[in-house]
Amino acid sequence: NAGVTQTPKFQVLKTGQSMTLQCAQDMNHNSMYWYRQDPGMGLRLIYYSASEGTTDKGEVPNGYNVSRLNKREFSLRLESAAPSQTSVYFCASAGDTDTQYFGPGTRLTVL
Amino acid sequence: AQSVTQLDSHVSVSEGTPVLLRCNYSSSYSPSLFWYVQHPNKGLQLLLKYTSAATLVKGINGFEAEFKKSETSFHLTKPSAHMSDAAEYFCVVSPGGGADGLTFGKGTHLIIQP
Repeated sequence: NAGVTQTPKFQVLKTGQSMTLQCAQDMNHNSMYWYRQDPGMGLRLIYYSASEGTTDKGEVPNGYNVSRLNKREFSLRLESAAPSQTSVYFCASAGDTDTQYFGPGTRLTVL
Repeated sequence: AQSVTQLDSHVSVSEGTPVLLRCNYSSSYSPSLFWYVQHPNKGLQLLLKYTSAATLVKGINGFEAEFKKSETSFHLTKPSAHMSDAAEYFCVVSPGGGADGLTFGKGTHLIIQP
């Protein structure tokens, strides 16, 4: 039982490049989330998906898109990366309660 | 709307002494409250969760937190600090009952002096 997995672990992009961060969970959870973590800011919600086929914006959605591919997978896409998107990205999932379980994170640097 | 304030950005204690990490919250609902811990370059691990069953919540690794509605506080304590407790701690609030995201405090960095 792997819980929440994220790929890649590390990524370096140049400004303007695109990439997709992948997240998968094997806990049969309905809800999935993407957060970013910046120094001194805690975690901030980018997008979430309450169930397969639905997505909603969080606190900081600008510059990102998401896809809930199926119940297990929730991807985050940066269409044109900017240095302000340098951050650590965490995916999380939750089942019937509001307790969220987090993946190990993706450390992204945009030059 | 909901918010979380962690009152100390850094706390330093000696090994074997008590730990107190302070958190105040505001919420329009009856919230769920959490403490998560993040060790260096790691993901977040759930320490404990308050719903409404009991005001004193026991978590993993000897941590506990007390919910005080009158003070809108949810402080985290541990009687005796261990070197392995050195990490970043986040107080978190959820409106509960739905799939909305969590609201995080900015974190408290706990330093353990030998």
